[in-house]
Amino acid sequence: GESVGLHLPTLSVQEGDNSIINCAYSNSASDYFIWYKQESGKGPQFIIDIRSNMDKRQGQRVTVLLNKTVKHLSLQIAATQPGDSAVYFCAENIAGNQFYFGTGTSLTVIP
Amino acid sequence: GAVVSQHPSRVICKSGTSVKIECRSLDFQATTMFWYRQFPKQSLMLMATSNEGSKATYEQGVEKDKFLINHASLTLSTLTVTSAHPEDSSFYICSAKRMTERVGYTFGSGTRLTVV
Repeated sequence: GESVGLHLPTLSVQEGDNSIINCAYSNSASDYFIWYKQESGKGPQFIIDIRSNMDKRQGQRVTVLLNKTVKHLSLQIAATQPGDSAVYFCAENIAGNQFYFGTGTSLTVIP
Repeated sequence: GAVVSQHPSRVICKSGTSVKIECRSLDFQATTMFWYRQFPKQSLMLMATSNEGSKATYEQGVEKDKFLINHASLTLSTLTVTSAHPEDSSFYICSAKRMTERVGYTFGSGTRLTVV
């Protein structure tokens, strides 16, 4: 399968600092990627997406970088706020079919 | 727009009984819905793809006779966990895909299943 059920890595940042969350995806044929945010006990929420013909996309306070050569995605959150504390997952998609999720990273923002 | 409702949000059942979880797309039609399972502090594992009017496609290692999926309409998919055991206790999440969009896989709020 494309996703692996490992225990989540964690990242702690000070409020106001920038956060960088990394993700390695598994299938070189994946051509569409989404970052999701999941708060405790809730379903994932869409943050930002990127297609494989791009290497960078910016949203409000968030930037996604895609490196297809090494199959790596990153999510950058500017001026991290306490409300950003959550688990972040990248998900890969091939030709509009299923999304497979990466391991995830638990982000804790320290006030 | 693009709201997916999942019900129930929490359920506790006795070992050996069956539990049905519903996933509804409230304001759009979804030919395809997906069912995921998530253990504590782990990622979402895709269980199956539910297609309206046809049989579900299960991921490798997922027992289709244990996790029954029915997608009888463009707005409703159900997952039934049959003969539940404590190891089936998990967080089950559905997502739905709009018919005409690739973007817009909206997730439900999840169902916490506890089998005692």
